[in-house]
Amino acid sequence: GQNIDQPTEMTATEGAIVQINCTYQTSGFNGLFWYQQHAGEAPTFLSYNVLDGLEEKGRFSSFLSRSKGYSYLLLKELQMKDSASYLCAVRDQDYKLSFGAGTTVTVRA
Amino acid sequence: IAGITQAPTSQILAAGRRMTLRCTQDMRHNAMYWYRQDLGLGLRLIHYSNTAGTTGKGEVPDGYSVSRANTDDFPLTLASAVPSQTSVYFCASSHLADGANVLTFGAGSRLTVL
Repeated sequence: GQNIDQPTEMTATEGAIVQINCTYQTSGFNGLFWYQQHAGEAPTFLSYNVLDGLEEKGRFSSFLSRSKGYSYLLLKELQMKDSASYLCAVRDQDYKLSFGAGTTVTVRA
Repeated sequence: IAGITQAPTSQILAAGRRMTLRCTQDMRHNAMYWYRQDLGLGLRLIHYSNTAGTTGKGEVPDGYSVSRANTDDFPLTLASAVPSQTSVYFCASSHLADGANVLTFGAGSRLTVL
């Protein structure tokens, strides 16, 4: 099974940088995903890491260390529209995705 | 239809009633999933299907059943609803042959059991 931990809430100012950490314990690791979910909406895909290192996609970057069971999502140049819940998810060998409880990010003006 | 369609969007039903949540995708994805989302618990996998004709149990399958008669449809049935099944239910699909196997989610079905 999967045990995925991430902070419950984070608050940051518009234009700032926020880092959301995710730690996991897994019986079979086959990739780590980050999804964004605005209130009342469906989750949407942000990033995917299967090898160690940093993946950059515009203002968002995701990092993975498989040996430490650790990932982070970095959000740069925060905008008000980035206020949302960010979900860390781990895929197992059977391609099933297990999600953390999510981190609610609030961006203040 | 574009992507995944779930129905109903919202439903209130009495405990003990039978309920089927519908899910249809038009992306020809081979894998489909049902998750429930509860405050503080995140998304939890109920059942999944890696291809038409096969299904598997997820983390919280009790009280739910699924079928996968064809590629496009993956209904979730609550045989006898209980209040603890009050939740938001998300259907998702993916193409297992893709390296990233990214899940695409439906808009969700909000279910309240009284």
